[in-house]
Amino acid sequence: RKEVEQDPGPFNVPEGATVAFNCTYSNSASQSFFWYRQDCRKEPKLLMSVYSSGNEDGRFTAQLNRASQYISLLIRDSKLSDSATYLCVVSQGAQKLVFGQGTRLTINP
Amino acid sequence: NAGVTQTPKFRVLKTGQSMTLLCAQDMNHEYMYWYRQDPGMGLRLIHYSVGEGTTAKGEVPDGYNVSRLKKQNFLLGLESAAPSQTSVYFCASSYPGTSGSTYNEQFFGPGTRLTVL
Repeated sequence: RKEVEQDPGPFNVPEGATVAFNCTYSNSASQSFFWYRQDCRKEPKLLMSVYSSGNEDGRFTAQLNRASQYISLLIRDSKLSDSATYLCVVSQGAQKLVFGQGTRLTINP
Repeated sequence: NAGVTQTPKFRVLKTGQSMTLLCAQDMNHEYMYWYRQDPGMGLRLIHYSVGEGTTAKGEVPDGYNVSRLKKQNFLLGLESAAPSQTSVYFCASSYPGTSGSTYNEQFFGPGTRLTVL
């Protein structure tokens, strides 16, 4: 079983729609959680950290459920520029990040 | 501020050839990392370094060696390339985690696309 699992997609949604991604992790000792964004043929970049209380950054909302070992990302009012691959990332300490395989999102005009 | 840079951007090798990938960062970061990214596999950590002169193995270290002789540089070597090492290689760097935290944002380079024939 992979340590971090995501639905690879692809997700194709119309501009303006709300889209949600889910991610599960297997190591209950995981300490920190993140979403990274990766554009086609580019490097990953940090989108946002994920906290147990939930956090929001503009149109993006991230949630963490430690009991279920589940992380989510919600994108509201999606834009064409949101098209990318979204990587669920878990830290198990000592600067080691474990990446999910990514969920590919395409926003259609 | 160039951030994290990688050299070369592309390379094609024949099986058995050797090469070195260079990563440089100008952010004075202590920690540096080498990852590989393959379709359907996500990024996997090859080796990492928590400071000048130190290196450690990651998840998939076999067939690779690294060196961190200067704080700003992290080299990844392939002594005898194999087709299974065809991949996109990303270097990253970060500060150490702050007190009470084990993480700080990792900044990635643009990647090196390596093909081994």
